[in-house]
Amino acid sequence: AQTVTQSQPEMSVQEAETVTLSCTYDTSENNYYLFWYKQPPSRQMILVIRQEAYKQQNATENRFSVNFQKAAKSFSLKISDSQLGDTAMYFCAFMDYGGATNKLIFGTGTLLAVQP
Amino acid sequence: DAGITQSPRHKVTETGTPVTLRCHQTENHRYMYWYRQDPGHGLRLIHYSYGVKDTDKGEVSDGYSVSRSKTEDFLLTLESATSSQTSVYFCAISESESRGTQYFGPGTRLTVL
Repeated sequence: AQTVTQSQPEMSVQEAETVTLSCTYDTSENNYYLFWYKQPPSRQMILVIRQEAYKQQNATENRFSVNFQKAAKSFSLKISDSQLGDTAMYFCAFMDYGGATNKLIFGTGTLLAVQP
Repeated sequence: DAGITQSPRHKVTETGTPVTLRCHQTENHRYMYWYRQDPGHGLRLIHYSYGVKDTDKGEVSDGYSVSRSKTEDFLLTLESATSSQTSVYFCAISESESRGTQYFGPGTRLTVL
């Protein structure tokens, strides 16, 4: 069974600085997607970034980028120029591309606090 | 933002009562999902649907049933609510399995006393 592990329950960063959130996963599959979702205090789940496993290039969305290491099964999220609005819970998630359900498997989350 | 609404947004009920949560989408997406979110567990899949009247179980389906009579609506029913079902419930949709990305509704906070 696939699992997703986020080993940092909480992190803190100063405004304008850079922070990296860690995620590791376990799978025997070769084709899959990886995601980072953000959940601010409003509770809304917001897609931050998505990575297809077959792509070697790391995905980037404005200030958000990932470091995807397929062999190591690692998928970290880097937030540059942190802003107060980045304060949220961040979830890493895995989806088996060939699976019947497109089920997302989530990690337990990292609570990020951006300090002024 | 994907057009997904959930109702009610908050509900308090008593043990043993039936509860139905509704997810409504305006995107005409084929796939719909129900997740629950609990501290220390992230989100876990309860049930999902891959078309009208086509549903299947997720990893935490005990005590829950679902129905999908129209593309736009996916109902989650707790036949007899228990305190262990106190949680935040999220609906999600995706266009197709090849697109992969799921978009989430705003969530429903359910408290079972």
